Formats: sequence, structure tokens, C-alpha cells
Amino acid sequence: AQSVTQLGSHVSVSEGALVLLRCNYSSSVPPYLFWYVQYPNQGLQLLLKYTTGATLVKGINGFEAEFKKSETSFHLTKPSAHMSDAAEYFCAVSDRETSGSRLTFGEGTQLTVNP
Amino acid sequence: KAGVTQTPRYLIKTRGQQVTLSCSPISGHRSVSWYQQTPGQGLQFLFEYFSETQRNKGNFPGRFSGRQFSNSRSEMNVSTLELGDSALYLCASSALGGIQETQYFGPGTRLLVL
Repeated sequence: AQSVTQLGSHVSVSEGALVLLRCNYSSSVPPYLFWYVQYPNQGLQLLLKYTTGATLVKGINGFEAEFKKSETSFHLTKPSAHMSDAAEYFCAVSDRETSGSRLTFGEGTQLTVNP
Repeated sequence: KAGVTQTPRYLIKTRGQQVTLSCSPISGHRSVSWYQQTPGQGLQFLFEYFSETQRNKGNFPGRFSGRQFSNSRSEMNVSTLELGDSALYLCASSALGGIQETQYFGPGTRLLVL
């Protein structure tokens, strides 16, 4: 079964600093990979996804992620944090070998941005 | 286009009762998935419906059930509520439910079981 590990349940950065949120997956067949963000009392919003092609994926709000098959990783980065980035971030995978939509989520990383 | 809508947004029930939650997908979307979000277990997949048929099911007891109507609207039902069913229930829709597709999430229904 697919699994996703997000290192660090809480990450704190200063405004303007680099944001790095880590995600590793376990699968013999590289899955499709997603990053979602959840603001308080809201649902999840897609930041970016990797399916095929270029391994560096750019998303909304200045975020990007790089798929590294050799490291089974899909870390999320943003060069300069903004106060509005404070939220919970979820890495998710879907299995190429199943039909239909079914996401497996990591535990989530709460990002705090300090002024 | 209007986003995914879920009703009600908040719900309080007591143990042993049953509850029905509703989800209206984005217009034209035929796949609806349900997830449970709790502080302890995180986000867990419940089931997915496509064209009124359950296509995928997560690892939840039979007390959790769902259905989808011909207009793609979906409902999930939880019978014999337990305290541990307190959670945020999220619904997501996509056009065809393909594994590469983006799933669009609603704001969720927050269920509190007393």
C-alpha cells in the first residue's frame, strides 16, 4: 500500500525566509504526487501536482516542488515566505496501479510564518 | 463555476444517532470522493462514487455508507454514531475521477458526536 511521510509536523520560518516542507513516499512504482494547502476552517486547495514530464513543478502562490525518484521525495519549496502562507500543508499520492480517484495523504505540516 | 458545496457545515449529534451529509460537486464533475479528517488519524479516504456506483472504498466499518444520485450529488451516512466519528468530513469532486486529475475539495462538514 502507498504511504506518505511528511517530516516535521510543525515548521516555523521568518517572513522572507525560504520555506522547505519535506515529503517522501513509499512505492515501487512512482505515484502521482500532489501538494494541498488547508487554511483554518476551509477545505483543501491544490498547490501543485506531478504526473509526468518535467520533474520540477511550479504551482500557485510561488510554490514549487521537485520530484526525485532516486530519493522517493517530493519536497515543497518557496523562496520567500509571506505571512499569508501560514497554513497546514499536505502531501498526497495517488496510485498509478488503481482506477478511480483515491488520495493517500501525509500527516500534514503546520507552517508558521513569523514577522 | 461554483465550487464544491457541502451541507450542513456544522452538526452536533449524540452517540447512537445517525447522520447524513450532503455534497454537491462542481457542475459537470461525475466523481465524488469523501474523506475523514481527525487530529489523530489525519486525512483518510472513505469512498469514491462515479456515475452512481461506488468505485473505491477505504478501510472504514460498514456504518459508513454513501450514495450518488443521477445529478452527481452525493450523500454519506453514518449510522450508530460513536464518539470517535467526530471529525471534519470533506468531499471532493473531479471530472472523471482519473488518478491524475485534480480533486476539488469542499469546505467540509464538521461533525461533533456527544
